[in-house]
Amino acid sequence: EAGVVQSPRYKIIEKKQPVAFWCNPISGHNTLYWYRQNLGQGPELLIRYENEEAVDDSQLPKDRFSAERLKGVDSTLKIQPAELGDSAVYLCASSLRQTHSYNEQFFGPGTRLTVL
Amino acid sequence: DQQVKQNSPSLSVQEGRISILNCDYTNSMFDYFLWYKKYPAEGPTFLISISSIKDKNEDGRFTVFLNKSAKHLSLHIVPSQPGDSAVYFCAAQDDKIIFGKGTRLHILP
Repeated sequence: EAGVVQSPRYKIIEKKQPVAFWCNPISGHNTLYWYRQNLGQGPELLIRYENEEAVDDSQLPKDRFSAERLKGVDSTLKIQPAELGDSAVYLCASSLRQTHSYNEQFFGPGTRLTVL
Repeated sequence: DQQVKQNSPSLSVQEGRISILNCDYTNSMFDYFLWYKKYPAEGPTFLISISSIKDKNEDGRFTVFLNKSAKHLSLHIVPSQPGDSAVYFCAAQDDKIIFGKGTRLHILP
């Protein structure tokens, strides 16, 4: 069974440029997450989708970040324009949302973004 | 303000001995606690969980202990093996999952 797929794996851009990340979740997983992991920190949630609906985007910097999950499968995360502080690893995860149980999330390998 | 704290950035343990990774939390409403393991250039992978109504959960070499009164949990790995060298994230779940900063575990030969 294929895991969560992310591309690109690495991206280097200059500040003020746009950048986009793509995620293909595990087949059948209705919940998709985008996290940002800064150096020496744990993953921090940016946005969570239940199918195609963004149900938690409270931590997404909406002035420059946007995300979409068309048809409730693949998702893209965009930054426009990028700033130096956006350098981080962007992780995508997916899960089968369950109530009354722990929520095991499956992570992709991440995209390492460097903004110069 | 961190809701999930891992105060040890790194830990070195001799192969074959017990590794103990600690985690503290502040929110008593968390209903599950999870440990994730991360190798370089890979995403975190789920290791073990514990419900807030339990005080212990064991899975092979891995055991998680929960002390609700102290708002503290720990992950025990015994015996430690070279492949256990990784970064371990403690996480807590209410409506979403909140991760600690991680502890890098080095297993020494």
